[in-house]
Amino acid sequence: EAQVTQNPRYLITVTGKKLTVTCSQNMNHEYMSWYRQDPGLGLRQIYYSMNVEVTDKGDVPEGYKVSRKEKRNFPLILESPSPNQTSLYFCASSLIGEGAFFGPGTRLTVL
Amino acid sequence: GENVEQHPSTLSVQEGDSAVIKCTYSDSASNYFPWYKQELGKRPQLIIDIRSNVGEKKDQRIAVTLNKTAKHFSLHITETQPEDSAVYFCAACYNFNKFYFGSGTKLNVKP
Repeated sequence: EAQVTQNPRYLITVTGKKLTVTCSQNMNHEYMSWYRQDPGLGLRQIYYSMNVEVTDKGDVPEGYKVSRKEKRNFPLILESPSPNQTSLYFCASSLIGEGAFFGPGTRLTVL
Repeated sequence: GENVEQHPSTLSVQEGDSAVIKCTYSDSASNYFPWYKQELGKRPQLIIDIRSNVGEKKDQRIAVTLNKTAKHFSLHITETQPEDSAVYFCAACYNFNKFYFGSGTKLNVKP
């Protein structure tokens, strides 16, 4: 079954404690991306990757890091989370220039 | 960067009526425009898309139109059904890599 998976699905943490949200896809897509969704703001792109070892900033990259060492995986790293990073996070993958398949989402709360 | 505006923010229609959601974008370099449906508590799902070299695309009860000169595109849903109730997001893809989303339209179809 074609899918994008994310882990964890829910996370409550404290300010400054490093965390990683994993994302994996099994569709051999070149393009992967992270978004955050906040009420009234829609989805905002954090980072994207066009292929292995190729990553670039989206619209709201501050406070986040990513890596793309393998085609199927695209983890999102928060080195020092802050309360303003409390949000719903979605990973997505697609062929380049195509519509995205989204993962199930990760709800993050930073206290 | 690109700016996508979406209207209305909420839309209530009677079952069987049509619904129209409109989006505008600012950068003429945007060339791909997907639409997503997000049901409560679920991930966004691609429902239809259009490229900048096409003016209209239809898929059963759903159609999208694009006016490149005016930089606006619209989603049309005909013969609405209660299961069409959801939040709909438009997006613009800039230069085949960056995605910018509208703030969403909550559609309520009353039986």
